Amino acid sequence: DQQVKQNSPSLSVQEGRISILNCDYTNSMFDYFLWYKKYPAEGPTFLISISSIKDKNEDGRFTVFLNKSAKHLSLHIVPSQPGDSAVYFCAASEVRDDKIIFGKGTRLHILP
Amino acid sequence: NAGVMQNPRHLVRRRGQEARLRCSPMKGHSHVYWYRQLPEEGLKFMVYLQKENIIDESGMPKERFSAEFPKEGPSILRIQQVVRGDSAAYFCASSPPNRSGNQPQHFGDGTRLSIL
Repeated sequence: DQQVKQNSPSLSVQEGRISILNCDYTNSMFDYFLWYKKYPAEGPTFLISISSIKDKNEDGRFTVFLNKSAKHLSLHIVPSQPGDSAVYFCAASEVRDDKIIFGKGTRLHILP
Repeated sequence: NAGVMQNPRHLVRRRGQEARLRCSPMKGHSHVYWYRQLPEEGLKFMVYLQKENIIDESGMPKERFSAEFPKEGPSILRIQQVVRGDSAAYFCASSPPNRSGNQPQHFGDGTRLSIL
């Protein structure tokens, strides 16, 4: 039973345009959400997070939006750059529980 | 390098042998987590440890797998009598001891375990 779902295995976006990665979750107890970026043969790198008391968090080119009623979050990258090509993992946790639940990831290709 | 250090990066074992994976957390971090990633899958939580204590091992297989985080030295994930299905990437993460609100876990580059 997947509690964090990333339904798009891959996404291709033109360089300079906006990349939008989506994520859905089923556990209403989740209150902390994270996005990690992963290159081949490396570990996941923390990108941005959002607490459930917020609906938006922005850090440079990266913005995460949270819609609690829809149990949906998205990561916006604008403008997209070649170095953004990687696998992006959506993840979530409950504040009382330290483990992180990951989605299966979305592979983002930035096209020249 | 102040990041999470894992070794070895690659480990090859034959069926029935033992595998030992090591993880040194970031400086100042005392919480260690182990995750496993199978091909084309996300990372799956295995175990959460603090110094000399296992806090949550709900993701650990009941047999052959064990983890420790001694007072001195790295955290060790041990797999006894390995089988082909144990082939995966094993990632370690760490976080600080005093959590004021939510803080992200920081990951090492993983150990890729291959079982022949």
